[in-house]
Amino acid sequence: QKEVEQNSGPLSVPEGAIASLNCTYSDRGSQSFFWYRQYSGKSPELIMSIYSNGDKEDGRFTAQLNKASQYVSLLIRDSQPSDSATYLCAVTPREYGNKLVFGAGTILRVKS
Amino acid sequence: KAGVTQTPRYLIKTRGQQVTLSCSPISGHRSVSWYQQTPGQGLQFLFEYFSETQRNKGNFPGRFSGRQFSNSRSEMNVSTLELGDSALYLCASSLVQGSTNEKLFFGSGTQLSVL
Repeated sequence: QKEVEQNSGPLSVPEGAIASLNCTYSDRGSQSFFWYRQYSGKSPELIMSIYSNGDKEDGRFTAQLNKASQYVSLLIRDSQPSDSATYLCAVTPREYGNKLVFGAGTILRVKS
Repeated sequence: KAGVTQTPRYLIKTRGQQVTLSCSPISGHRSVSWYQQTPGQGLQFLFEYFSETQRNKGNFPGRFSGRQFSNSRSEMNVSTLELGDSALYLCASSLVQGSTNEKLFFGSGTQLSVL
């Protein structure tokens, strides 16, 4: 079982719709959870971080964390073509340090 | 404030050669981590340095090594290159080490091709 799992997609949504990206993780002791966006040929860019159960909103982005279900999600409201990218879920395992374990990423395509 | 700077941007090497990649973290950041990204394996953690000491290491062979200097700049070395080492090598910096809440900021990466 992979440590962090994501549906590879592609997930296609029309412009203006809500895109829902999901991620599950295997280490129940994981501490911190991040969403990175990566455009083709570019490096990952941090867009959201979440550390406790519940929702965290930042502009059009909402991260949701459920530690009991070992599940983290990212909602993108009013999706724009510029949101088309690969979204990487990353988890900090229980061990000490800044090591991030990444999922394989979900490709999002927003159609205009 | 300048971001994470990685050099060179592209490298082409042949099997058996060695390569050194460089990373300058964001000013004030003291922790540097290295990741390998390939289409098949995704992003995988290589190692992390803080205060010139390796603090954490991923599951890579000993051919992969690194170091950090007193100014927090870091270098990564791969010896006896193999075809499978072709990848995008990403450096990430963070302010401190050891806090699980720390956010990592990535450089543009070095695209290494091994022929």
